[in-house]
Amino acid sequence: EVQLVESGGGLVQPGRSLKLSCLASGFTFSNYGMNWIRQAPGKGLEWVASISSSSSYIYYADTVKGRFTISRDNAKNTLYLQMTSLRSEDTALYYCARADYGGYRDWGQGVMVTVSS
Amino acid sequence: DIQMTQSPSSMSVSLGDTVTITCRASQDVGIYVNWFQQKPGKSPRRMIYRATNLADGVPSRFSGSRSGSDYSLTISSLESEDVADYHCLQYDEYPNTFGAGTKLELK
Repeated sequence: EVQLVESGGGLVQPGRSLKLSCLASGFTFSNYGMNWIRQAPGKGLEWVASISSSSSYIYYADTVKGRFTISRDNAKNTLYLQMTSLRSEDTALYYCARADYGGYRDWGQGVMVTVSS
Repeated sequence: DIQMTQSPSSMSVSLGDTVTITCRASQDVGIYVNWFQQKPGKSPRRMIYRATNLADGVPSRFSGSRSGSDYSLTISSLESEDVADYHCLQYDEYPNTFGAGTKLELK
């Protein structure tokens, strides 16, 4: 069974940093691209960042470029999102999702990030 | 960036209805469209991949179609478990972009 388990969220002050993790199991992690998607309270889904299976290709939304860094450790089956210079508008539920030829196949349960003083 | 204009934003439905939700892409995205179902407090679930293909375990009353730049999700004979939010996504190019979502509510 595929599992994606996010962690690392919480309440953080504006301007501070936070690092999210997504632990994958049930599939060969190193074979798949991975994504971060977020959803602000009561809002729609917003793509945040993507990373290819070997980390050769990385893409960011303009809203987070220069502040967020996506990375992965294939030996640990873990995806990361390092978030710096956090803003109130970054407050959201952050999901990791596995990519396949058909798009976004599997999603984690999400982890909440709240940016507030 | 490619815009996915999703309509309607909400829909009042009855059990047994046939429901169609549409996303219009601002540029060609080919077949690279997903449809997701999201229930309150839950993660999105992929329903359709490559615009017209039913994802594993998805009931056959769901279908996806494409007409030019318009992509549609149709639910035939709506059941109570289908009442949820639905989102489209284009993954043809970066930034990947979602539609604004459609909320189905029972009359």
